[in-house]
Amino acid sequence: GQNIDQPTEMTATEGAIVQINCTYQTSGFNGLFWYQQHAGEAPTFLSYNVLDGLEEKGRFSSFLSRSKGYSYLLLKELQMKDSASYLCAVPTGGGNKLTFGTGTQLKVEL
Amino acid sequence: KAGVTQTPRYLIKTRGQQVTLSCSPISGHRSVSWYQQTPGQGLQFLFEYFSETQRNKGNFPGRFSGRQFSNSRSEMNVSTLELGDSALYLCASSLEGRTGRNEQYFGPGTRLTVT
Repeated sequence: GQNIDQPTEMTATEGAIVQINCTYQTSGFNGLFWYQQHAGEAPTFLSYNVLDGLEEKGRFSSFLSRSKGYSYLLLKELQMKDSASYLCAVPTGGGNKLTFGTGTQLKVEL
Repeated sequence: KAGVTQTPRYLIKTRGQQVTLSCSPISGHRSVSWYQQTPGQGLQFLFEYFSETQRNKGNFPGRFSGRQFSNSRSEMNVSTLELGDSALYLCASSLEGRTGRNEQYFGPGTRLTVT
């Protein structure tokens, strides 16, 4: 089966750096996605990792360790608009089916 | 390109009724997936359609069904509604590339309330 774990909530200060962790257990591995979802809006794609290592994309970076079943999303220079839910997801069962973690609600404070 | 569109955006139904939700994918996208999102369970996969065929199905009862048309538009139907079906129903479309590695684009969702 599949199991994906993320912290439920995190709070950070504007301008700081925050790391959101995700651990997963899947049978077979086809990469890992991170999505951002603001309250009342649709999830939007942030990153996809299939190889080990860090991928940087502006203020956001995503890291993957396949041997440890672990990923993290790193957000730098936090802004108030980064307050959102961050969802970790892995493809499972073929096709485009994604299994999501329950999401990490990030609150950015002044 | 226009994004994924879903109609209606909001819906209120009574227990026992049925409901049909519609999703129009991004032009050129042939894969459409449906998800249910609730505060307690998060995002859960319902089913995926590709070229008018159901390719994947999640762990939902048979009251939940769907279909896809030749123009890739998709509908999902929930019969005999229960209070627990109250949720945000999200549709996502993607290009068909390497299995499991395709970025999915989500629509704004349909907020269903069952009373």
